[in-house]
Amino acid sequence: AQKVTQAQTEISVVEKEDVTLDCVYETRDTTYYLFWYKQPPSGELVFLIRRNSFDEQNEISGRYSWNFQKSTSSFNFTITASQVVDSAVYFCALILFKAAGNKLTFGGGTRVLVKP
Amino acid sequence: DAGVTQSPTHLIKTRGQQVTLRCSPKSGHDTVSWYQQALGQGPQFIFQYYEEEERQRGNFPDRFSGHQFPNYSSELNVNALLLGDSALYLCASSSFGGTNTGELFFGEGSRLTVL
Repeated sequence: AQKVTQAQTEISVVEKEDVTLDCVYETRDTTYYLFWYKQPPSGELVFLIRRNSFDEQNEISGRYSWNFQKSTSSFNFTITASQVVDSAVYFCALILFKAAGNKLTFGGGTRVLVKP
Repeated sequence: DAGVTQSPTHLIKTRGQQVTLRCSPKSGHDTVSWYQQALGQGPQFIFQYYEEEERQRGNFPDRFSGHQFPNYSSELNVNALLLGDSALYLCASSSFGGTNTGELFFGEGSRLTVL
């Protein structure tokens, strides 16, 4: 079975500070996708990024960047120059290639509070 | 372009009762998945419907059942409610067989409280 762990339950920062969210996953499969989702107070989960297990290249997309390291089974996510609107719960998730469909395994989430 | 819509947004039931939650997928999507999110936890996969059939199921008892209609909308039914069924129930839609595996569009959820 797969497992996703987000050790940080809550992070509080002041606007314009950078925020890094940690994610560690467990799976015996070698082919999988990793995701980050954002859940604002309204409740819906919003897709942010997806990475497949073959591609460890780290990228930057706007104020978001991620660090994927298979050797340590980690998929960390950074918000640069945080804004109040970034306040939300962030979830790391995993799905196996062979699973198909939408059976995501989510971590417990990290609540981010950005203060003005 | 309407996104994923769910109803009702909030409801309160008592133990032993039955509940039906409804979901309309995003326009152009044909697949609906349901997730249960207990307070302070991550969502857990309940099941997925495509072509009016249950295609995948998570570790949930038979008290949890569903249905998909020809217009792709879906219902989640929970029988014999327990206190532990209190949660936010999220519906997610996507296109089956596409390359966007896991990139789901979620509704705002139905918050169920069981007393």
